[in-house]
Amino acid sequence: DVKVTQSSRYLVKRTGEKVFLECVQDMDHENMFWYRQDPGLGLRLIYFSYDVKMKEKGDIPEGYSVSREKKERFSLILESASTNQTSMYLCASSLGPRDRDMRPEAFFGQGTRLTVV
Amino acid sequence: GQNIDQPTEMTATEGAIVQINCTYQTSGFNGLFWYQQHAGEAPTFLSYNVLDGLEEKGRFSSFLSRSKGYSYLLLKELQMKDSASYLCAVSPHNTDKLIFGTGTRLQVFP
Repeated sequence: DVKVTQSSRYLVKRTGEKVFLECVQDMDHENMFWYRQDPGLGLRLIYFSYDVKMKEKGDIPEGYSVSREKKERFSLILESASTNQTSMYLCASSLGPRDRDMRPEAFFGQGTRLTVV
Repeated sequence: GQNIDQPTEMTATEGAIVQINCTYQTSGFNGLFWYQQHAGEAPTFLSYNVLDGLEEKGRFSSFLSRSKGYSYLLLKELQMKDSASYLCAVSPHNTDKLIFGTGTRLQVFP
């Protein structure tokens, strides 16, 4: 089974800190995603990566950056954490367009609950 | 862009049938997904519709009408463990991005 692993379940950081959220998948998926989930707002896409070093902005990229140096790892970076970035962060991965018809769904990690104080 | 709407909350009784609707406004998409998310857990995949019509998978079925911009998830023989949020998502044309609606929280009562 696909496994998507996020480095921390819970994280507390101070305002202004640089924060790294790490995500690793073990199924050689081309696509990887970072979402944040807030009550009443659902899952909102921050960034999407379709290959190593390739990325696209999602709906709410402001205040975030990403890094994909290896296919299995996708990092979300908060350059200077702010209290409005307190949220649940979810990473996901899926197969690319060549194999999408076989297994189109995305697989999610368990999430990182980040609190910025 | 995409605008995906779902009811915020629904309630139902154990053993009943419930239909969760999803309407969307998008210029085009590859397919429409439904995910289930229990409180405190990751979303898990339920169904994927590419063509119009009904896809049945055990107690769960999903329907898509592209011309009407409409999908629904049908849950039969409801069980207490079906209490969860149900998320509708689309994968827009020419990208593998996955865009979610705000989700519907379903509570099943005995």
